[in-house]
Amino acid sequence: GAVVSQHPSRVICKSGTSVKIECRSLDFQATTMFWYRQFPKQSLMLMATSNEGSKATYEQGVEKDKFLINHASLTLSTLTVTSAHPEDSSFYICSALGSAGYGYTFGSGTRLTVV
Amino acid sequence: ELKVEQNPLFLSMQEGKNYTIYCNYSTTSDRLYWYRQDPGKSLESLFVLLSNGAVKQEGRLMASLDTKARLSTLHITAAVHDLSATYFCAVANTGNQFYFGTGTSLTVIP
Repeated sequence: GAVVSQHPSRVICKSGTSVKIECRSLDFQATTMFWYRQFPKQSLMLMATSNEGSKATYEQGVEKDKFLINHASLTLSTLTVTSAHPEDSSFYICSALGSAGYGYTFGSGTRLTVV
Repeated sequence: ELKVEQNPLFLSMQEGKNYTIYCNYSTTSDRLYWYRQDPGKSLESLFVLLSNGAVKQEGRLMASLDTKARLSTLHITAAVHDLSATYFCAVANTGNQFYFGTGTSLTVIP
């Protein structure tokens, strides 16, 4: 079955530094990938949609200069949290849309803690 | 923006009992998904419902979709402790973007 690898699973960083999270589709090509954020005991909120080779589309209220998304290949999308602050601490999850159409596969998530 | 609401938000039920979780969404969509999330984990896909009247069952869980009413249900039959988790429904729009429901935290009590 389709597998999406997300790395790292956990990261702790200091305020003001940047953190990069990778999302890879291992056995299929993902023309579209999605990034979500989930605060404790809350639902998943779509942050942005990234299409291979083009700029990401951000949801309203998400700062594109703070959450940099790059989707340079059909199997890799990255999310970089720049100048991280404690309020950015959250669980970040990516998902990839396979070419079969309706098949979404979620990554294992990244727990970001900013201290 | 597509809005998705679930109820109840919290559900505590005894083993062996039945219950239904409801998922309402605000605009037309013919694709509805159910996921399970355990604490600290990502999402596990449970069901994909792609047409009006679709019904799918897996073990003690059964999901249905009524696109005219913009309603999906997740029915739990004879609950067991292993079903304790948070359950999310999600609806996809025409741009393939997912919008998740508020989640239902289920606790099954022995």
